[in-house]
Amino acid sequence: QVQLQQWGAGLLKPSGTLSLTCSVYGGSFSGNFWGWIRQSPGKRLEWIGDISHSGSANCNPSLKSRVTMSVDTSKKQFSLKLRSVTAADTAVYYCARSPGYWKIDYWGRGSLVTVSS
Amino acid sequence: QSALTQPPSASGSPGQSVTISCTGTSSDIGGYNFVSWYQQYPGKAPKLMIYEVDKRPSGVPDRFSGSKSGNTASLTVSGLQAEDEAEYYCSSCTGSNSYIFGGGTKLTVL
Repeated sequence: QVQLQQWGAGLLKPSGTLSLTCSVYGGSFSGNFWGWIRQSPGKRLEWIGDISHSGSANCNPSLKSRVTMSVDTSKKQFSLKLRSVTAADTAVYYCARSPGYWKIDYWGRGSLVTVSS
Repeated sequence: QSALTQPPSASGSPGQSVTISCTGTSSDIGGYNFVSWYQQYPGKAPKLMIYEVDKRPSGVPDRFSGSKSGNTASLTVSGLQAEDEAEYYCSSCTGSNSYIFGGGTKLTVL
């Protein structure tokens, strides 16, 4: 059974940097893509991007200029940084696993990130 | 890129069948057979219910089925049960090598 445990700061000021990390328990770390999806207060889902165990990243074009993703295979962890946040970035952020073929089969529990002055 | 279009709500009585549509373009749904459907309960993470248009992950009841025609994908829930009441989201890959999601459909079991 795969479990994803995520953590990070929940309250940010505008222009700050969002930072989240996700640990993977169970399953194979290699051979999968590790990604981030966010859900706005209006419930809309938005894919942020994903990264392979080797560090090859793929990102939503609308967020690409502000996103950095990284992976630490020794710890089975992957991380997200989103720079220059605004209130529009307020959302629940999920880490997730994709085994490929554009499906997401495991999700973290979600982290509420609020951007407010 | 705009989100895929789903009806905001759908409903049915226990035992009935309900179909939820998801409309995109030739650059996403119409161009690839990588449509997925997710079920989400309030306060919980989404759960994969259908992938690659019509495939079910292990453990998903066969009451859930998926299909696609042109730029529109559909999720059908047969033999509705109270536990099926949830929000359902579709997703597809796109020509820009990214995911796109639908706006979600709230399924109510009457």
